[in-house]
Amino acid sequence: DGGITQSPKYLFRKEGQNVTLSCEQNLNHDAMYWYRQDPGQGLRLIYYSQIVNDFQKGDIAEGYSVSREKKESFPLTVTSAQKNPTAFYLCASSPFGTPYNEQFFGPGTRLTVL
Amino acid sequence: DAKTTQPTSMDCAEGRAANLPCNHSTISGNEYVYWYRQIHSQGPQYIIHGLKNNETNEMASLIITEDRKSSTLILPHATLRDTAVYYCIVRVAIGTSGTYKYIFGTGTRLKVLA
Repeated sequence: DGGITQSPKYLFRKEGQNVTLSCEQNLNHDAMYWYRQDPGQGLRLIYYSQIVNDFQKGDIAEGYSVSREKKESFPLTVTSAQKNPTAFYLCASSPFGTPYNEQFFGPGTRLTVL
Repeated sequence: DAKTTQPTSMDCAEGRAANLPCNHSTISGNEYVYWYRQIHSQGPQYIIHGLKNNETNEMASLIITEDRKSSTLILPHATLRDTAVYYCIVRVAIGTSGTYKYIFGTGTRLKVLA
């Protein structure tokens, strides 16, 4: 089955630790995205990548870092510099260059920092 | 960036049509309107999108006003499984051509009643 996988579903970390969230897709999509969702709120864009070895900051990039070494993978690192890291994190992907390119979302990772 | 406003919550009787309104009065001429839904703690699921014309697919219909300042998502025969948060989203171009981000609002929590 084609799709986007995120692991793990739930993640717990102590304050001050960096943590990396996994996102893998087998849809052969060029563009990938990371969003953050807080309770009762919509999604906000953290980082996005249009092609391998290239990525750009979204609206709330501070305290986060990403890499795009392979087309199918776009891991997100939540660093200790992120002031309020507890949230639901969603990864998405889309084809590049078409006007109708909907984004496909993964199941999400819920991060809790203790 | 264009912004969307939606009612916080709505109820609908099972088997009846659910009409979910959305205001996007600051939308630009080339910005699409997308609708997604999110069941608790899952990734958003694509429903439908449109630019100017009304659209219909197997899940729903999208009615966009002539001035494009508002739209309505119609679920023709709501079922209990349609209970979810529905997001009206404006898609805007970012980076080089062919990449887009979604501007999420806070969504409408639809409850389908038996």
